[in-house]
Amino acid sequence: QLQLQESGPGLVKPSETLSLTCTVSGDSIGSSGHYWGWVRQPPGKGLEWIGSIYYSGNTYYSPSLKSRLTISLDTAKNQFSLKLNSVTATDTAVYYCARRIKDSNGYFYPDSWGQGTLVTVSS
Amino acid sequence: EIVLTQSPGTLSLSPGERATLSCRASQSVSSSYLAWYQQQPGQAPRLLIYCASSRATGIPDRFSGSGSGTDFTLTISRLEPEDFAVYYCHQYGNSPPTFGGGTKVEIK
Repeated sequence: QLQLQESGPGLVKPSETLSLTCTVSGDSIGSSGHYWGWVRQPPGKGLEWIGSIYYSGNTYYSPSLKSRLTISLDTAKNQFSLKLNSVTATDTAVYYCARRIKDSNGYFYPDSWGQGTLVTVSS
Repeated sequence: EIVLTQSPGTLSLSPGERATLSCRASQSVSSSYLAWYQQQPGQAPRLLIYCASSRATGIPDRFSGSGSGTDFTLTISRLEPEDFAVYYCHQYGNSPPTFGGGTKVEIK
């Protein structure tokens, strides 16, 4: 059974780097042919796609976050990570990691999500 | 970027009633690459529908999706108590992927 679990600091100071890791069990991130990505949700608001990484290592970022964002894979640990630089209060959100699988036409959609972790940006 | 507008913002219905949720795109969604998710308070989104009308594994058949181009609909034929939640549409065929703002289905 697939499980995704986010981990990382719950509080980050403004201008610093937000770092999160998603640990995957029940699937191999380096060989499954899926995308692995991040979505966030500010408190009381809707969902925002952040970015994804393919099992081969190719990345795909939101244009609005691209200049501050790095997503990477650690296939040995079956984990993928998010780093968001120069954070401000507007980056406060629940951050979800998710697997994106391919539909019959070859396009990828999120089918499984982690439980989410709240990251607050505050001094 | 494709903007998805969901309506209504809130839908007040009673158990057993039919719910019809709308998702309208600012431009055509490629080949109906649209998904629907349900989110309960404090929980992660749960996949209901992909490719506009394909039910995900384990999703009851009271949930159905339809539409193409710029207009999509999620229908819940008979609301069960566990169906009261927030629903999001998500287009994944155009870059970047985007989500709608959500429709809350609440108990009347």
